Amino acid sequence: QQQVKQSPQSLIVQKGGISIINCAYENTAFDYFPWYQQFPGKGPALLIAIRPDVSEKKEGRFTISFNKSAKQFSLHIMDSQPGDSATYFCAASKGPNFGNEKLTFGTGTRLTIIP
Amino acid sequence: EAGVAQSPRYKIIEKRQSVAFWCNPISGHATLYWYQQILGQGPKLLIQFQNNGVVDDSQLPKDRFSAERLKGVDSTLKIQPAKLEDSAVYLCASSSARGSGAHAFFGQGTRLTVV
Repeated sequence: QQQVKQSPQSLIVQKGGISIINCAYENTAFDYFPWYQQFPGKGPALLIAIRPDVSEKKEGRFTISFNKSAKQFSLHIMDSQPGDSATYFCAASKGPNFGNEKLTFGTGTRLTIIP
Repeated sequence: EAGVAQSPRYKIIEKRQSVAFWCNPISGHATLYWYQQILGQGPKLLIQFQNNGVVDDSQLPKDRFSAERLKGVDSTLKIQPAKLEDSAVYLCASSSARGSGAHAFFGQGTRLTVV
């Protein structure tokens, strides 16, 4: 059962543009929503994460927007750079302390930034 | 700080053969995870250890997969006998305490091809 749906599957953005990746979840018990970045041949690395008590979190060029009522969250990459080209996964977990149980991942978005 | 170490990086076996993967987590990390990442999909948790005890193995195909974490440090994941559908990247991750699943650090993974 897929509990976290992610779109688009692939995305091409020009350098300097805004990349937007969307995720939707079903399980209302989820209370922690991280985004992971994965380069070819590497394991996923935590990029940014959000709790449902806030609607937005920004770290540098990366912003998470969270809509609890719609059960949706999204990643925005501002001023996208070629070095941002990677696969991005949203994830969700539940537990009393910052998602202390297993992570449920989306299917991934392959982002390509073109010059 | 050294990262999560995994070996081998690649493995090709015939179906019905057995295979084992090894993981050395970040020093001091009590929680260890094994994820399976099939091509084009997000990682799926197979098993979670807290020290040397199993916390969650609900998605581990126990008829063919086994895992252990002796002395609460290194871990091995075994598949016996392997099936074609086991072809995937097997990711090991660790975190500093139970409750930090979203802050897990991933290794580079072992790419398994079953022919």
